[in-house]
Amino acid sequence: QKEVEQDPGPLSVPEGAIVSLNCTYSNSAFQYFMWYRQYSRKGPELLMYTYSSGNKEDGRFTAQVDKSSKYISLFIRDSQPSDSATYLCAMSAFLLGSGRETSGSRLTFGEGTQLTVNP
Amino acid sequence: DAEITQSPRHKITETGRQVTLACHQTWNHNNMFWYRQDLGHGLRLIHYSYGVQDTNKGEVSDGYSVSRSNTEDLPLTLESAASSQTSVYFCASSESTASGGTYNEQFFGPGTRLTVL
Repeated sequence: QKEVEQDPGPLSVPEGAIVSLNCTYSNSAFQYFMWYRQYSRKGPELLMYTYSSGNKEDGRFTAQVDKSSKYISLFIRDSQPSDSATYLCAMSAFLLGSGRETSGSRLTFGEGTQLTVNP
Repeated sequence: DAEITQSPRHKITETGRQVTLACHQTWNHNNMFWYRQDLGHGLRLIHYSYGVQDTNKGEVSDGYSVSRSNTEDLPLTLESAASSQTSVYFCASSESTASGGTYNEQFFGPGTRLTVL
C-alpha cells in the first residue's frame, strides 16, 4: 500500500465550478502537507502548504488538513481554464535531532490528479 | 534570478549505456533531490543530498548513483541504462535551515525526458 493515495482522475469541470481534490495518507509522522501544481511538460510548482492540522486560504484556493482522519483536501473556487493542470499532494516529516533533516527534506508525493477546466 | 536547470531536456539512449543527467542550481541550497515521474506512480525519490560529499538513497535508487562535489550540482548517473528507466526525471533543491512550522519549499527544475531503447 502506498503511503499517500490520490485519485488520478482525470477530472473535468466547467468554468466557475468548485473543485475538490483529496489525498489520504498512512504515515502519522507527516506534519507538512503541500499542494504542488504541474502544467504539462513543466516541473511542479508549490501552490500552498499547511503545517499540522487546520485550514489555509490563499485567494481562490483553500487547503484543509485533518490529521485525525489522515485526509487532506484542496478546494478551488470559481475555477478558471488556467487552473487546468495536474495537482500533486506531497507530505513531509520534520525530524528533530537528526542533524540535517528539516522541513525541506524528503517529500512523499501522491500520484497527482489531472484537472481540466472547460470554458 | 536564481534558478535550477537540467540538461539535457530530452535524451534517447540504448540499453546498457551509461547516462548522466545534469542538475545545476544557483540558490546556494544545501538540499538537492532527484525524482522520477511515471504514470501510476507520481513522483518518486531516487537520491538526495543534504550537502557537499553527502548522498543518500531514496525509494527507487537501484541502478542510479549521485555524487555531490560542490553546492550547485548534483548529477544523476544511470550506470547501465534499462528500459524500465524510461521516465521523466526532475531535480529539486531547498534550503536546509531547521525551522519548525515553516516549510522549506522544494524548487523543481524543468525535467529531463529520458527514453531507453
